[in-house]
Amino acid sequence: GAGVSQSPSNKVTEKGKDVELRCDPISGHTALYWYRQSLGQGLEFLIYFQGNSAPDKSGLPSDRFSAERTGGSVSTLTIQRTQQEDSAVYLCASSPRRDINNEQFFGPGTRLTVL
Amino acid sequence: DQQVKQNSPSLSVQEGRISILNCDYTNSMFDYFLWYKKYPAEGPTFLISISSIKDKNEDGRFTVFLNKSAKHLSLHIVPSQPGDSAVYFCAAYGLGFQKLVFGTGTRLLVSP
Repeated sequence: GAGVSQSPSNKVTEKGKDVELRCDPISGHTALYWYRQSLGQGLEFLIYFQGNSAPDKSGLPSDRFSAERTGGSVSTLTIQRTQQEDSAVYLCASSPRRDINNEQFFGPGTRLTVL
Repeated sequence: DQQVKQNSPSLSVQEGRISILNCDYTNSMFDYFLWYKKYPAEGPTFLISISSIKDKNEDGRFTVFLNKSAKHLSLHIVPSQPGDSAVYFCAAYGLGFQKLVFGTGTRLLVSP
């Protein structure tokens, strides 16, 4: 497809388990972002990849969260030892380049529920 | 510290009337602003943007106004349609920022 895709669309896990969320950005987009939206909250920035530069991890809430982007394309967000407060919709977005017109194209999100 | 604020969590408007969604920001380094619309179970989609060198940008039924001195922007939808019912996020960007900063969103309900 032409848009950003994410998998799985829904994930239910038990507290303490690890989860991996996948994002396939739009082909050719060099910038990739992860956000999460908790109930009643706005979009919270997590991490940003731009080309081959070191990622901006300033939004990751704890060291249980990590992300990688292989080959400048697909990205995986990993949450280790999940907690109930990790329950949220995790959104991925990509952008053609980092410039002043920073329009981002979002995927449909992964709804994570930690029991 | 919420740098981009949308103080109205929800707004109800009748079809055909004007919808006005407001957004305030605190950081004077922001110089580009965007509005995103989000339907349930979908990711946000870009709607309209404005640069700080302008005070108005119009695209069809959607107009964004920027008041830099007040650090305030608003999105006007005229006329409102039921299909406009969604959550609207304001976002800001500026030199030195690597990322968009989003507000908490306003849920718009347009009733027939």
